[in-house]
Amino acid sequence: AQKVTQAQTEISVVEKEDVTLDCVYETRDTTYYLFWYKQPPSGELVFLIRRNSFDEQNEISGRYSWNFQKSTSSFNFTITASQVVDSAVYFCALKTGFQKLVFGTGTRLLVSP
Amino acid sequence: DAGVTQSPTHLIKTRGQQVTLRCSPKSGHDTVSWYQQALGQGPQFIFQYYEEEERQRGNFPDRFSGHQFPNYSSELNVNALLLGDSALYLCASSPRPGTSGGTYNEQFFGPGTRLTVL
Repeated sequence: AQKVTQAQTEISVVEKEDVTLDCVYETRDTTYYLFWYKQPPSGELVFLIRRNSFDEQNEISGRYSWNFQKSTSSFNFTITASQVVDSAVYFCALKTGFQKLVFGTGTRLLVSP
Repeated sequence: DAGVTQSPTHLIKTRGQQVTLRCSPKSGHDTVSWYQQALGQGPQFIFQYYEEEERQRGNFPDRFSGHQFPNYSSELNVNALLLGDSALYLCASSPRPGTSGGTYNEQFFGPGTRLTVL
């Protein structure tokens, strides 16, 4: 069975602080895909990044970076110099086979001015 | 290029009633998946449609049913509503599974329909 664990329920930081959101996944499949989505108060899930199981290179996109480590089954997400607009719920998700996404329970990030 | 659209935005029903939610996929996508997101939880997969047939189903009772039309739009129907059905219902579209874009690419989500059952 596939499972995604986001142990951090809520994180509060002050603007400009760096913050890391943790994601641990479980799967027996050797081919899988990992995703991060952002859900602002409006409710719509916004795609941030995808990674396949064969690509362990870390990625940086502006203030966002992702650390994928198969050895620890983790796919962590770091926001550098956080901003108030980063306040949202962030979901990590796992996909094996075709199209079904398995989500974690999400981490609510609150960035205060 | 329109993204995924859902209607209605909000809906209030009473226990025992039936509800129909609608979704139009992103242009170029022919596969629609439905998710239920209870308050404070991650989305849970309900089912997926392509070629007008249900292809995958999550752990949801038969009260949850769906339909896909020739234009790829989809409906989610829930019968005999329970209080526990109150949630945000999200529709996601993607290219067909098995195609080069269908396996790897992300699903695009609509804004959701918030259903409240009283």
